Amino acid sequence: QSALTQPPSVSGSPGQSVTLSCTGTSSDVGTYNRVSWYQQPPGTAPKLMIYEVSNRPSGVPDRFSGSKSGNTASLTISGLQAEDEADYYCSSYTSSNTWVFGGGTKLTVL
Amino acid sequence: QVQLVESGGGVVQPGGSLRLSCAASGFTFSSFTMHWVRRAPGKGLEWVSVIQNDGANAYYADSVRGRFTISRDNSKNTLSLQMNSLRPEDTAVYYCAKALKWGVDYWGQGTLVTVSS
Repeated sequence: QSALTQPPSVSGSPGQSVTLSCTGTSSDVGTYNRVSWYQQPPGTAPKLMIYEVSNRPSGVPDRFSGSKSGNTASLTISGLQAEDEADYYCSSYTSSNTWVFGGGTKLTVL
Repeated sequence: QVQLVESGGGVVQPGGSLRLSCAASGFTFSSFTMHWVRRAPGKGLEWVSVIQNDGANAYYADSVRGRFTISRDNSKNTLSLQMNSLRPEDTAVYYCAKALKWGVDYWGQGTLVTVSS
């Protein structure tokens, strides 16, 4: 159960687009369209932003979009806003009937 | 609205035990898979365990298998995590979470577990 690989930090200016990556293996991301993305501002509980690779729960702005290619999933945030600054985590179901998270990416809005 | 309220956290010595509970409301508890997820100080989220809606199947992270046991009481809308043989590396905020498809759509506010002598 190795953690998914995420870059430790990403930054962007307001209005720009940023893409966060999440790399797994053929035992998780590569085989299953069961990747989720979570936003966690400091001191708060995580919030679901994307599920099943590219689906947005109600209430999540369409500035947030998800995709996958091979063993790598991506979260793109367009029209970056100051309120988007947070830690972002990806997660995937695995072939062992377990789930695994990435190490998290700290998004800084410059 | 959906509410998940964890309780049972605290300070425990290495080798000790603790039982976490999660009181669920605002949805049909018996229809949903439930998870426990933790976040250690200064670290990222770590998935801990999952239990199916009817309690028939449960799965664990390698780091806790054999020491932790997840359970649920659908008559009381309660999720539990029995933690035995606790280690300092189990120190974390533990979140109870409701499944949506293959993700998690609602999280509790968490309960802090500190394992220290």
